[in-house]
Amino acid sequence: VLTQSPLSVPVALGQPASISCNSSQSLVYTDGNTYLNWLQQRPGLSPRRLIYKVSKRDSGVPDRFSGSGSVTDFTLKISRVEAEDVGVYYCVQGTQWPLITFGQGTRLEIK
Amino acid sequence: QVQLQESGPRLVRPSQTLSLTCTVSGDSIRSGDHFWGWFRQSPAKGLEWMGNIYHSGSTNYKPSLKSRLVMSVDTSKNQFSLRLTSVTAADTAVYYCARDKSVYDSNGLLDYWGPGMMVTVSS
Repeated sequence: VLTQSPLSVPVALGQPASISCNSSQSLVYTDGNTYLNWLQQRPGLSPRRLIYKVSKRDSGVPDRFSGSGSVTDFTLKISRVEAEDVGVYYCVQGTQWPLITFGQGTRLEIK
Repeated sequence: QVQLQESGPRLVRPSQTLSLTCTVSGDSIRSGDHFWGWFRQSPAKGLEWMGNIYHSGSTNYKPSLKSRLVMSVDTSKNQFSLRLTSVTAADTAVYYCARDKSVYDSNGLLDYWGPGMMVTVSS
């Protein structure tokens, strides 16, 4: 089970934001990799992968997004929130593939 | 650029079968490089993995859906499909197809998604 907190994060433009994701089990796979991704879902759109394997940014993702963590505790940070960052953020694990599971989602809004 | 597009009926009657197809462009299902998955999203359950399929037809299903779910693949059309039987209002959701997992690249997990399709179960 992936548990995200907070479930809602109001942030002023230009300020940092942080979202946590806690797993009830270790997400370290037998190959040594940790298959924890972060997805962004802007209003009315499908999910978009931002971060894979804890901390690797996808192509085209601004460097204000960063992922960190290990084993069971993970964090997505946005260094300076912009208006286009509004949406819902999900952590998702693939370590237990094929049983992929998602966190509940964290809604980021502009204060 | 890999693109996926869901298609199918947007309204399904209770107890009937929900059928959706995902058409892939920019990648070849036949190549066998990836598994291809179905997901859904509802206010009650959030984002939910339903199952995935390989070019060979090998499938993995979420245990709670296994009795009602069948996935198939048509490599000649570069499509994969979902059939969910005996639907109820609880199956009302936005359905997404996505490139599930890469067989050869550990970086490839849920990297491309379709735009999604709202399916309503109602009489």
